[in-house]
Amino acid sequence: NAGVTQTPKFRILKIGQSMTLQCTQDMNHNYMYWYRQDPGMGLKLIYYSVGAGITDKGEVPNGYNVSRSTTEDFPLRLELAAPSQTSVYFCASSYSFSEAFFGQGTRLTVV
Amino acid sequence: GENVEQHPSTLSVQEGDSAVIKCTYSDSASNYFPWYKQELGKRPQLIIDIRSNVGEKKDQRIAVTLNKTAKHFSLHITETQPEDSAVYFCAASIETSGNTPLVFGKGTRLSVIA
Repeated sequence: NAGVTQTPKFRILKIGQSMTLQCTQDMNHNYMYWYRQDPGMGLKLIYYSVGAGITDKGEVPNGYNVSRSTTEDFPLRLELAAPSQTSVYFCASSYSFSEAFFGQGTRLTVV
Repeated sequence: GENVEQHPSTLSVQEGDSAVIKCTYSDSASNYFPWYKQELGKRPQLIIDIRSNVGEKKDQRIAVTLNKTAKHFSLHITETQPEDSAVYFCAASIETSGNTPLVFGKGTRLSVIA
């Protein structure tokens, strides 16, 4: 089992550019999440989904969009990247709002 | 919504000593409390969890206690080893709800000094 797979692992964006962070899981989990982790800080929830076609905002959704067309995939879209979006992004999935399995993270720098 | 406070933010202990990290939560309906360990540059990984129907759970050198009345839970690591050095996060959620996912504390950086 691959678990939760994120791509890319690293990315440098220029201010105003857009990109999509990919996340896929092979555990047939209905619940998926995107968190961001700023240096030395905790995990803040950006968006989450409890099933295909259903998404909800978390604590820090501004500047991001998500979609959930399949159970396996939960991409995160950044429009008009800003320096404040420099962070490590973690995708995670779970069976319910219980044990979450995390991907390896995407380190994004906006310059 | 749920708010999770975690203390201390940093903790240094001598190898072999015990380490205790404490968390409080605000939503009395929360019923699932996991602890995650994150090594430098790695993803967070679950090390132990507890549900609100039990007061204590132990797994080798790691234990978690829960006080529902006071709305706090703690992680206890005994006989600490250098490989226990990492950032530890607590979290809380309402496990079976549709709109209350895991909320994390800000983390505790544990350093075990050999």
